[in-house]
Amino acid sequence: EAQVTQNPRYLITVTGKKLTVTCSQNMNHEYMSWYRQDPGLGLRQIYYSMNVEVTDKGDVPEGYKVSRKEKRNFPLILESPSPNQTSLYFCASSRLALANTQYFGPGTRLTVL
Amino acid sequence: KNEVEQSPQNLTAQEGEFITINCSYSVGISALHWLQQHPGGGIVSLFMLSSGKKKHGRLIATINIQEKHSSLHITASHPRDSAVYICASSGTGNQFYFGTGTSLTVIP
Repeated sequence: EAQVTQNPRYLITVTGKKLTVTCSQNMNHEYMSWYRQDPGLGLRQIYYSMNVEVTDKGDVPEGYKVSRKEKRNFPLILESPSPNQTSLYFCASSRLALANTQYFGPGTRLTVL
Repeated sequence: KNEVEQSPQNLTAQEGEFITINCSYSVGISALHWLQQHPGGGIVSLFMLSSGKKKHGRLIATINIQEKHSSLHITASHPRDSAVYICASSGTGNQFYFGTGTSLTVIP
């Protein structure tokens, strides 16, 4: 089954404790992206990757890091989480960024205390 | 940066009604995407279009490139259509910009 998986689905942590949210896709997609969704602000792009070892900042990259060492995986790293990073996070992938359907992961609800 | 605006923010309809959700964007795009998010959070892509019109079942999406405007129509609405509908633009910069969503409730 074609899918994007994220882990964990739910996470409660404390300020400053490094964490990683994993994202994996099995569709051999070149493009992968991370978004955060907040009430009243909608979805905003954090980082995206056009292919292995190619990453770029989205609209709200501050406080986040990403890496793309393999085509299927695109982890999101919060080196020192803060309460303003409490949000619902989605990973997505597509064959090409501009003119192809995006496939979304199930979401990760992160709470930073 | 592409500003994407949706209207209305909230919409309540009776079952069977014809529904229209509007989306406008500020700069030229490569494609306009319509997404659906059900309670519980999962996001599904409904349409991706760069010109004209697309239809899938009771859903129709149109785009007017000159006016920088797109609409999503739902014919013969049903309670299972209740969800948040989100439009998003993708452009030459490989970034996506999203509207804040339209929350639709269809009452039986």
